[in-house]
Amino acid sequence: DIQMTQSPSTLSASVGDRVTITCRASQSISYWLAWYQQKPGKAPKLLIYKASSLQSGVPLRFSGSGSGTEFTLTISSLQPDDFATYYCKQYNSYPLTFGGGTKVEIK
Amino acid sequence: EVHLVESGGGLVQPGGSLRLSCAASGFTFSSSWMTWVRQAPGKGLEWVANIKPDGSEKFSVDSVKGRFTVSRDNAKNSLYLQMNSLRAEDTAIYYCARYYENSGPIDYWGQGSLVTVSS
Repeated sequence: DIQMTQSPSTLSASVGDRVTITCRASQSISYWLAWYQQKPGKAPKLLIYKASSLQSGVPLRFSGSGSGTEFTLTISSLQPDDFATYYCKQYNSYPLTFGGGTKVEIK
Repeated sequence: EVHLVESGGGLVQPGGSLRLSCAASGFTFSSSWMTWVRQAPGKGLEWVANIKPDGSEKFSVDSVKGRFTVSRDNAKNSLYLQMNSLRAEDTAIYYCARYYENSGPIDYWGQGSLVTVSS
């Protein structure tokens, strides 16, 4: 199974900060990676797919990069609506696996 | 507008069974890969199972193989998850979801259905 490791697990930041979350795969997944945002009590929301493709309707301050085993999600200027938990997910091979999540908190 | 509505969750004793249903609308269900994803209370997301549009291929995580079965009825626009031999560690919110462009990313999710396995 491919293990997905996210870091940090918790991140404290202020509105306007540039935020970067890292996701590492235990083996190469090419660019078959998605990022999701989840708020408490809600279903996740797709932000990025194929490592760097922005899902329709997602603000341009979100971006993704990477390939192989190292990936990043960047929020260029953190907004109040962005405080949430973020998950990466590989879909290169079964079983599909998620990272453990990164909680972005208000500093 | 795409809607996915789960039902069938609840409290069940260890070793018991439960069948989750997901009613889909607003898209061509019969052409879409579908999936179940779960989330234990306060924990992260875990992929559970996938099913091809015509139901001919199914995939699931090892921890549920032999116990859970994903199925679909395209005539009823419905997805199902039959869960047998339930364990305490199966306690979670179960989300029904659709794959974006029949690929790995999930673009639409249901609201989730809580399954609690406890005596």
